[in-house]
Amino acid sequence: NAGVTQTPKFHILKIGQSMTLQCTQDMNHNYMYWYRQDPGMGLKLIYYSVGAGITDKGEVPNGYNVSRSTTEDFPLRLELAAPSQTSVYFCASTPRGQGGGPVNEQYFGPGTRLTVT
Amino acid sequence: AQRVTQPEKLLSVFKGAPVELKCNYSYSGSPELFWYVQYSRQRLQLLLRHISRESIKGFTADLNKGETSFHLKKPFAQEEDSAMYYCALLNQGGKLIFGQGTELSVKP
Repeated sequence: NAGVTQTPKFHILKIGQSMTLQCTQDMNHNYMYWYRQDPGMGLKLIYYSVGAGITDKGEVPNGYNVSRSTTEDFPLRLELAAPSQTSVYFCASTPRGQGGGPVNEQYFGPGTRLTVT
Repeated sequence: AQRVTQPEKLLSVFKGAPVELKCNYSYSGSPELFWYVQYSRQRLQLLLRHISRESIKGFTADLNKGETSFHLKKPFAQEEDSAMYYCALLNQGGKLIFGQGTELSVKP
């Protein structure tokens, strides 16, 4: 299993441009998450999904959109990029537990380092 | 409010010295707490969880509900322990709330 994969690894985006960060997992996990990691701020949840066709906002969703058309893929879309979106973006996934909720360990991708300039 | 606080941005110790990475939390329910680690050029991964009461790579962490703390400890630090450490709390909605992270540097 490749686990959670993310593309691209690095990208430089101009202000006002749009792009999609890709995230794929091959573990058949129901739950998927997008975080951004800023120095000294830890990881902040942008969006999450509990299964195909279902997404919801996290703590910092403004400026982003997501979709979940399949179990495997959870792309993150940046529209009208701003310098404040310069960050490292992590995708994560976790399976559904016996109780129906997420298992408590999350599996992370390698991250995408995005610079908006 | 649900919050995880790691007061130290950087902790620097010498090899063989004891190390303690501090984590305090604020949560109204019964918390599930974790330590995640990110080694240089590697992805974030789970180090340990309080519910397992395990020792991983010599690290332990005890949940202290009275002090609302979940400090990570190791009696003898090794150079390969140098990494970024994140304390995290799982809330009732199944979402992880991360602390700001502490960079541990173990010098030879």
